[in-house]
Amino acid sequence: EAGVAQSPRYKIIEKRQSVAFWCNPISGHATLYWYQQILGQGPKLLIQFQNNGVVDDSQLPKDRFSAERLKGVDSTLKIQPAKLEDSAVYLCASSLDRTNVLTFGAGSRLTVL
Amino acid sequence: GQNIDQPTEMTATEGAIVQINCTYQTSGFNGLFWYQQHAGEAPTFLSYNVLDGLEEKGRFSSFLSRSKGYSYLLLKELQMKDSASYLCAVSMNTGFQKLVFGTGTRLLVSP
Repeated sequence: EAGVAQSPRYKIIEKRQSVAFWCNPISGHATLYWYQQILGQGPKLLIQFQNNGVVDDSQLPKDRFSAERLKGVDSTLKIQPAKLEDSAVYLCASSLDRTNVLTFGAGSRLTVL
Repeated sequence: GQNIDQPTEMTATEGAIVQINCTYQTSGFNGLFWYQQHAGEAPTFLSYNVLDGLEEKGRFSSFLSRSKGYSYLLLKELQMKDSASYLCAVSMNTGFQKLVFGTGTRLLVSP
């Protein structure tokens, strides 16, 4: 089966600019996650979708981050405006409903200058 | 809330055995996962424990004690390719399943 697709793989922007990341999960996976992984740290959950509904966004900085999952398939994570501390790898993952065996995409590495 | 602790870094030699410990404090505990992450790559699933005891899968084994809030990952016959970060992750049931990761243990295997 095809894996979790993410784009772009790398992005460099200046602070206060905006950026968007795209994720296409494994076909049939109802649950989609966005994690932020800062260098040297474990992944931190930003937002979790069940189909196209949000089930957890408690750690999403909502003043600058937004995410949507239209039609319960693809998802987009946006940052506007970006700050230096947003430099990280943004990992998208999906799972078959509530099994919690996550399959991760390769990630999108963001550098904010 | 939740708290997950694991050592930051460990070193071992090829062919040896290494044990990576993880302790956790959380509410709504629903299981413990171990993921492997090579530098610059995405995490990949290694093992899952929901009941107390040892789960063996080839060279890798994982142990869980729910009463002690403790798990370990045991890697046998270490190979150079095992050099990676090992992430302990707790599954919590808070009305929905939520997976929270520790900071990871970076393992360096030397010849």
